Amino acid sequence: EVQLLESGGGLVQPGGSLRLSCAASGLTLSSYAMGWVRQAPGKGPEWVSVISSNGGNTYYTDSVKGRFTISRDNSKNTLYLQMNSLRAQDTAVYYCAKGRSTSPSKNYFDFWGQGTLVTVSS
Amino acid sequence: EIVMTQSPATLSVSPGERATLSCRASQSVSSNLAWFQQRPGQAPRLLIYGVSTRATGVPARFSGSGSGTEFTLTISSLQSEDAAVYYCQQYNTWPYTFGQGTKLEIK
Repeated sequence: EVQLLESGGGLVQPGGSLRLSCAASGLTLSSYAMGWVRQAPGKGPEWVSVISSNGGNTYYTDSVKGRFTISRDNSKNTLYLQMNSLRAQDTAVYYCAKGRSTSPSKNYFDFWGQGTLVTVSS
Repeated sequence: EIVMTQSPATLSVSPGERATLSCRASQSVSSNLAWFQQRPGQAPRLLIYGVSTRATGVPARFSGSGSGTEFTLTISSLQSEDAAVYYCQQYNTWPYTFGQGTKLEIK
């Protein structure tokens, strides 16, 4: 059974940092592009970042460029999102999602984890 | 950024009837269009990709159609478990973007 388990969320002050992890089981992560999607309370989902299967290509939405870094350790079957300089507007549930192929380009994401809540507040 | 606009915002339909949800893109997304279902407290679930292909395990009462900038999700013979928010999402151009969602209520 495929599972994606996010962790690392929590309460952080504005300007602080968090690192989210997404541990995969039931699949070989190195075969797939992966991504992070967030959903603020009462809002629709928003794509944050995606990464190719080998980590060579990454994309970020404009609002997180220079602050967030997506990475992966295929030997550990784990995806990461390093979030720095956090703002109140970053408050959301963060989901990791598995792509259907190796490239993040023109790729749909067919399996999502259950999410981890990030709250940025003083 | 491609803007995805869904209509209506809320749809109320009786069990056994058909629901039609619309999605419009601000520019062509070719056939790179997906639909997701999100029940309260759950993660989004992929229903449709490539405009009209059902994801694994999705019942045949869900169907997608359209091309370019205009797309439709049809749910025939509604069941109570279909109550959810439905999102369209384009994956043609980064940043990938979602519509604002249609909340489907079962009368």
